[in-house]
Amino acid sequence: QVQLQESGPGLVKPSETLSLTCIVSGGSNSSYFWSWIRQPAGKGLEWIGRIYTTGSTNYSPSLKSRVTMSVDTSNNQFSLKLNSVTAADTAFYYCARDSSGPGRPFDHWGQGTLVTVSS
Amino acid sequence: DIQMTQSPSSLSASVGDTVTITCRASQSITNYLNWYQQKPGKAPKLLIYAASSLQSGVPSRFSGSGSGTDFTLTISSLQPEDFAIYYCQQSYSTPRTFGQGTKVEIK
Repeated sequence: QVQLQESGPGLVKPSETLSLTCIVSGGSNSSYFWSWIRQPAGKGLEWIGRIYTTGSTNYSPSLKSRVTMSVDTSNNQFSLKLNSVTAADTAFYYCARDSSGPGRPFDHWGQGTLVTVSS
Repeated sequence: DIQMTQSPSSLSASVGDTVTITCRASQSITNYLNWYQQKPGKAPKLLIYAASSLQSGVPSRFSGSGSGTDFTLTISSLQPEDFAIYYCQQSYSTPRTFGQGTKVEIK
């Protein structure tokens, strides 16, 4: 069974860079896109972007200027960096597998990690 | 970006009721529409993919239909564990986008 686990600092200062890693276990990470999705407390879901195992990326236009994603296939993990953060970036951050099957849904999710932007 | 609009934003229902949630896309997404359930403090869980296919392990009281721009999620015989927030999501194009969510509450 595929499992995803996010890790990273829970507190980031304004103007600094948010860095998170997602470790994938229990399955191959080949032939999939891997996405980051965030959710401010009590609000809806926002897709941040995704990365393929080759390193090819797609980012949300609203965040594109601040986002960098990378993948480390040898260690079954992928990462998110979001720079110049503000309080508006405070949210639960989820990593998810972007299935290549019918409908291309997010079929596996991490448990999520809360990142608070505050000085 | 493709905008996804769900209705209603919330609803109250009783155990045993049948509830229907609708999702409308701002342009045709053929059948690239997925439904998720989210409970408090948990990650979203995939229920329905490709508009009408039931994810493995999901009870058959959940069903989805639609194509193009209009989609529905139906929960037949609502159970206590079904009280949650439901989101639709399009995977026709990037950026992937979600509906704003529908909260199903106990009447």
